[in-house]
Amino acid sequence: QQQVKQSPQSLIVQKGGISIINCAYENTAFDYFPWYQQFPGKGPALLIAIRPDVSEKKEGRFTISFNKSAKQFSLHIMDSQPGDSATYFCAASREDDKIIFGKGTRLHILP
Amino acid sequence: ETGVTQSPTHLIKTRGQQVTLRCSSQSGHNTVSWYQQALGQGPQFIFQYYREEENGRGNFPPRFSGLQFPNYSSELNVNALELDDSALYLCASSPQSRPYGYTFGSGTRLTVV
Repeated sequence: QQQVKQSPQSLIVQKGGISIINCAYENTAFDYFPWYQQFPGKGPALLIAIRPDVSEKKEGRFTISFNKSAKQFSLHIMDSQPGDSATYFCAASREDDKIIFGKGTRLHILP
Repeated sequence: ETGVTQSPTHLIKTRGQQVTLRCSSQSGHNTVSWYQQALGQGPQFIFQYYREEENGRGNFPPRFSGLQFPNYSSELNVNALELDDSALYLCASSPQSRPYGYTFGSGTRLTVV
């Protein structure tokens, strides 16, 4: 049973464009929704995270949009740059429990 | 402030052998979690140690075991290696038993032949 479903599997965006990655979850007990960025040969690094009591969180060019009733959340990368090319994972967890990751989205930004 | 360090970075083992992977947690972090990341997949939770006690385990068989030491460093042991154990093994530390503020290491790439 996949508790966090992520799409698309891969994404190609022109430099300066908006990259959008979507995730859906099943467990309404989840209360923490982080996004991780992973470069080849490296471990995942926390990019931005949101709690279900807010609908949007923005940090620089990165924004999480959260829809609690639809059990969906998404990552928007504004003004996408070649350096943003990486694999992105959405994730979810309950308090005091493990983090459950999506399968990842491989993002490629065209120069 | 040092991050999470893992050793070795790469390892090749034969099916049936045993392997020990090591992790030094970030300074000030008392919780260590281990994840397995198969090629092209998201990390899968193996188990978590908090103050030297296992306090959470994922869907992995008992041949996956671990330890946490008084300095909060940790080991992951895998017995009777199988070909499907080939993966990137990630260690993450956090300053509390909750998963907030995870810092991941770069991982150990294990290949079982």
